[in-house]
Amino acid sequence: SQQGEEDPQALSIQEGENATMNCSYKTSINNLQWYRQNSGRGLVHLILIRSNEREKHSGRLRVTLDTSKKSSSLLITASRAADTASYFCATGLIQGAQKLVFGQGTRLTINP
Amino acid sequence: GAGVSQTPSNKVTEKGKYVELRCDPISGHTALYWYRQSLGQGPEFLIYFQGTGAADDSGLPNDRFFAVRPEGSVSTLKIQRTERGDSAVYLCASSLGVQGGGYTFGSGTRLTVV
Repeated sequence: SQQGEEDPQALSIQEGENATMNCSYKTSINNLQWYRQNSGRGLVHLILIRSNEREKHSGRLRVTLDTSKKSSSLLITASRAADTASYFCATGLIQGAQKLVFGQGTRLTINP
Repeated sequence: GAGVSQTPSNKVTEKGKYVELRCDPISGHTALYWYRQSLGQGPEFLIYFQGTGAADDSGLPNDRFFAVRPEGSVSTLKIQRTERGDSAVYLCASSLGVQGGGYTFGSGTRLTVV
């Protein structure tokens, strides 16, 4: 069964706007990661946040983690058409942190 | 190599046939993972190798699925007596094997069982 649940399942915004995707999970984690997938093939690692961290930035990406609520958010600022993709959160559990459990993903569409 | 390589990129097979999917990880990556992804779903964990041994095979759906990594590098996922429900994209990833590390994924093999 999937550990993470992304919300919304699909998001469509105008180029230049900010996109926010959320992820909730069920069990305690060692870390949480976000991945992007284009065209249903290989996933690309975007950012990793550890359980003792609350916020991380990477370029136009900002990730937050609230372990008390078992949730994370991914913010993409100043979106571009090239950001159109599916975004997945994945959790590394405390037991067996190397095995990632993926959510169902959010399909993001950036309209020019 | 520069990235994770998976072959073939596409495989069409008849129901009941045997298939092998190959994954060539990044050189030096000790951990290797197989996932399966159906249309519109997230990747589903199948098996994870640390070196030559399967550290966790709890995601293999049944005994028709088997994977090996005999020399701690290339891995082969083997599916016997394929069924139409096995149709999916099979993704391989590798990592340095340290706790909490990110994965590098291959482009996947799209398996279609007809």
